[in-house]
Amino acid sequence: SAVISQKPSRDICQRGTSLTIQCQVDSQVTMMFWYRQQPGQSLTLIATANQGSEATYESGFVIDKFPISRPNLTFSTLTVSNMSPEDSSIYLCSVVLLDTQYFGPGTRLTVL
Amino acid sequence: AQTVTQSQPEMSVQEAETVTLSCTYDTSESDYYLFWYKQPPSRQMILVIRQEAYKQQNATENRFSVNFQKAAKSFSLKISDSQLGDAAMYFCAYRRYGNKLVFGAGTILRVKS
Repeated sequence: SAVISQKPSRDICQRGTSLTIQCQVDSQVTMMFWYRQQPGQSLTLIATANQGSEATYESGFVIDKFPISRPNLTFSTLTVSNMSPEDSSIYLCSVVLLDTQYFGPGTRLTVL
Repeated sequence: AQTVTQSQPEMSVQEAETVTLSCTYDTSESDYYLFWYKQPPSRQMILVIRQEAYKQQNATENRFSVNFQKAAKSFSLKISDSQLGDAAMYFCAYRRYGNKLVFGAGTILRVKS
């Protein structure tokens, strides 16, 4: 299995500001995924991040709002830009290892 | 497009009893993976069990087992000897080789002592 860490684990932010979430994996992986989980809901894929190329965004998510970096095979960041209360969610990073998907512990974001 | 349906928004089970969570999915593919994930209040997504579609034998992990009916596109999770620590949101998920994971809406499991 993969061991995934995320920073920060939680944050409370003001409207209009930005927050960058870090994801570190203990194995080299080709693809990393970023998910959003709104309160009481299932997980929604934001984007897939491949090392050395632009992230691929799902319908309804755009790079200006959720810029992603993937500088190497074990690390990625997701930025939530110009935040509004509707961005209050849990954000999870995820990787696939041996055809199984593993998840980080999540970042709980509250926007006031 | 593939879809995953969990028809039980919430289930309850008495401690030490057995409970079954339902999941159906829709796909035209023959090779894929199915998963059950557990998300306790800590919000960590924990892999419970995985099933490869080409395997006829149902996967088991200790107290957790699945009933995989490929023709019926059904993938239920049975939890035996339920414990208080089993209380969580359970997500059924589907993944075709090389593709993204598709989740169901989730089932909240409550365990009564």
